Amino acid sequence: DTAVSQTPKYLVTQMGNDKSIKCEQNLGHDTMYWYKQDSKKFLKIMFSYNNKELIINETVPNRFSPKSPDKAHLNLHINSLELGDSAVYFCASSQPRGEAFFGQGTRLTVV
Amino acid sequence: GIQVEQSPPDLILQEGANSTLRCNFSDSVNNLQWFHQNPWGQLINLFYIPSGTKQNGRLSATTVATERYSLLYISSSQTTDSGVYFCAVCYSGAGSYQLTFGKGTKLSVIP
Repeated sequence: DTAVSQTPKYLVTQMGNDKSIKCEQNLGHDTMYWYKQDSKKFLKIMFSYNNKELIINETVPNRFSPKSPDKAHLNLHINSLELGDSAVYFCASSQPRGEAFFGQGTRLTVV
Repeated sequence: GIQVEQSPPDLILQEGANSTLRCNFSDSVNNLQWFHQNPWGQLINLFYIPSGTKQNGRLSATTVATERYSLLYISSSQTTDSGVYFCAVCYSGAGSYQLTFGKGTKLSVIP
């Protein structure tokens, strides 16, 4: 009965590949997010979806694309992976201005 | 955008000691959260505290929104308290809501 779940937990892939990370929330929240945590532990927002509409895109390269098939899911697709994409990616959800809950994170390693 | 500053950046405590972590923010916010990132990388919700004071066991938090700061108190620290503590604020910019994180306080509790 995990509130926000993302898969996979670990992802190791070669440069140039395309990969996806899936996220699902069962909290009935209207807004979902993707955050990137770099090697210095800094958490920065990448995308925010509210009722299936993209409302924030924080200068993320267009190789990254969020896809929301429904309100409970927000997947992250990454094309042409680069070494610099290695990081931990967190999915989260909340009601607008409400308490946010995070998934367990996906550690992406590009080799 | 809004600036979130946490202090101290690093803290080493003897088990049983008390500590206070501080979060300053540069603009009015809709809400504020404290998270604990444990050594396994999970982001655990500690407090959702736009204003006032809350307590949960050995932890308590106070937010003074008018003065743009929040404090997290840890009493009788235990080794399991080790990890990184993040403050995150939600503010409305351009009609959207996003959670902006501070850089965190890394806490090490030694036996």
